[in-house]
Amino acid sequence: DAKTTQPNSMESNEEEPVHLPCNHSTISGTDYIHWYRQLPSQGPEYVIHGLTSNVNNRMASLAIAEDRKSSTLILHRATLRDAAVYYCIRIQGAQKLVFGQGTRLTINP
Amino acid sequence: GAVVSQHPSRVICKSGTSVKIECRSLDFQATTMFWYRQFPKQSLMLMATSNEGSKATYEQGVEKDKFLINHASLTLSTLTVTSAHPEDSSFYICSARDGEQGVVYGYTFGSGTRLTVV
Repeated sequence: DAKTTQPNSMESNEEEPVHLPCNHSTISGTDYIHWYRQLPSQGPEYVIHGLTSNVNNRMASLAIAEDRKSSTLILHRATLRDAAVYYCIRIQGAQKLVFGQGTRLTINP
Repeated sequence: GAVVSQHPSRVICKSGTSVKIECRSLDFQATTMFWYRQFPKQSLMLMATSNEGSKATYEQGVEKDKFLINHASLTLSTLTVTSAHPEDSSFYICSARDGEQGVVYGYTFGSGTRLTVV
């Protein structure tokens, strides 16, 4: 049970921002929120993670709702190489990662 | 950053034979590694958690006698698919975390092994 809910698919245009939502309404206070993405025939790649505050790195930004029941992964300027399946995962401590179905992101040229 | 190397990337074997897949952490010590299986168009399914120096913990429904996991060192875990059958054909992926760092820095995945049993 991945315990997160994501849209099955989303579509965006190249060079435009993309907002990928994730619902984790049953999250506990010590659960981290991780995001990974998987390109075809490759292993998943770490994107970003956070606990309470919004986070930024070279790949993306993570906006976490104040009540922590949802979060949004933001790709500021999508490229064709960002087309992938994006997984939002909640994880407590150093536990195992359990993947849900993720969001398949399509980027149009 | 942390790197996990997985070999082979692709293997074809005959039905009834065994296949070994290696997962190595190249620049950190991985006390815990994870093995996943992924069928086409589906998400990753966790098979087992591999702990250095102890027995692996298998997820419900995964046959431990068929999928043998060995984590004999802090940098190497192996998955052996024994007596492989065509239905074992899948994409196998390993993952590792650096002690407690996985919580802070994320988990690192191998590039996967495409197993085809003929």
